[in-house]
Amino acid sequence: GESVGLHLPTLSVQEGDNSIINCAYSNSASDYFIWYKQESGKGPQFIIDIRSNMDKRQGQRVTVLLNKTVKHLSLQIAATQPGDSAVYFCAESSWGILTGGGNKLTFGTGTQLKVEL
Amino acid sequence: DSGVTQTPKHLITATGQRVTLRCSPRSGDLSVYWYQQSLDQGLQFLIQYYNGEERAKGNILERFSAQQFPDLHSELNLSSLELGDSALYFCASSDRPITGGQETQYFGPGTRLLVL
Repeated sequence: GESVGLHLPTLSVQEGDNSIINCAYSNSASDYFIWYKQESGKGPQFIIDIRSNMDKRQGQRVTVLLNKTVKHLSLQIAATQPGDSAVYFCAESSWGILTGGGNKLTFGTGTQLKVEL
Repeated sequence: DSGVTQTPKHLITATGQRVTLRCSPRSGDLSVYWYQQSLDQGLQFLIQYYNGEERAKGNILERFSAQQFPDLHSELNLSSLELGDSALYFCASSDRPITGGQETQYFGPGTRLLVL
């Protein structure tokens, strides 16, 4: 039978432009947020993280913004390059008091970033 | 390269069979997490071990089990396999003591399981 895949939102940008990938999270108790990049055939790769007591954090060419009021996270990539083409996932985590002490990550469905030359 | 290794890279088996996936965490990491990534479910947390003990459970089926050994490597056992178990299975390890708060998880390259 035909398989049904996740319909990932896709963001297409020109090389050199800035990219903004958005994510809405669901758990208001989440206190730690991470962006991962997953290239085809590879595991998720850590990009940047932010704690709930911050609203902005910058890395090399990447910035994460957190708006706890509306439970929204965004990843900004400056001067997007072809090597940035991948699926980007946001993940939220809360200290697992109810789950016995584990730091369980809940992933969003992902956004496909396509960089056009 | 995250430093997390997983074997095998690919696995093809038949329905009803049992397989074991192996994960070696990064040197010094005590926590190991297992995730399933399927086409229709995205990345789903299965289970976490810390220094040999189970610490958190997610959407793990009863047909699946895991363990972490004294040398900290972990195995995920999948039994009575069904077609729907075909997916990528990722292991991740983290570098912080389990004292609460944030810890970064580093993912391995995954095992692609195909059940025919």
